[in-house]
Amino acid sequence: DQQVKQNSPSLSVQEGRISILNCDYTNSMFDYFLWYKKYPAEGPTFLISISSIKDKNEDGRFTVFLNKSAKHLSLHIVPSQPGDSAVYFCAASFGNTGKLIFGQGTTLQVKP
Amino acid sequence: EAGVAQSPRYKIIEKRQSVAFWCNPISGHATLYWYQQILGQGPKLLIQFQNNGVVDDSQLPKDRFSAERLKGVDSTLKIQPAKLEDSAVYLCASSFGLQETQYFGPGTRLLVL
Repeated sequence: DQQVKQNSPSLSVQEGRISILNCDYTNSMFDYFLWYKKYPAEGPTFLISISSIKDKNEDGRFTVFLNKSAKHLSLHIVPSQPGDSAVYFCAASFGNTGKLIFGQGTTLQVKP
Repeated sequence: EAGVAQSPRYKIIEKRQSVAFWCNPISGHATLYWYQQILGQGPKLLIQFQNNGVVDDSQLPKDRFSAERLKGVDSTLKIQPAKLEDSAVYLCASSFGLQETQYFGPGTRLLVL
């Protein structure tokens, strides 16, 4: 039972353009959503998060949008840079558990 | 500030052998997590500690996996006996508290032959 899904295994964009990574979830009890970035041979690093009471959170070049009615969130990176090339995981949690449910990941390649 | 440390970084064993992984969390972090990441999938939580107590081990295959955090600091995860399907990256993460940001170590890549 995949509660968090990232349906696009990979995405390729040109440097300077916008990257949009998508994530869908099935459990309406999730109340906190996060994006992690992972480089090869390293552990995931936290990127940005959003609470279910908000529909947008912005941090520099990164913006996360949450559409609760559609159970969908997206990560926008603008402008995209070659250093953004990595695997991006969305994750969700509920309550005070701290337990994260991860999607399968999307590999982003930003071409110079 | 030192990050989450894990060792070994790589391990190759044959099926039915045993293996142990070690994790030292960020100093002061009360919550420690072990995740299993199979190739092509996202990390899956195996066990979560708050200090030296288990908060969630619902997805830990307890017939072969065990974990401990005796002094509430570092932790070990053991597999005995290993199966082919245990080949994965084992990630340790820590956080200041249950709802705080989780910081991940580099992981241990396990190959079971």
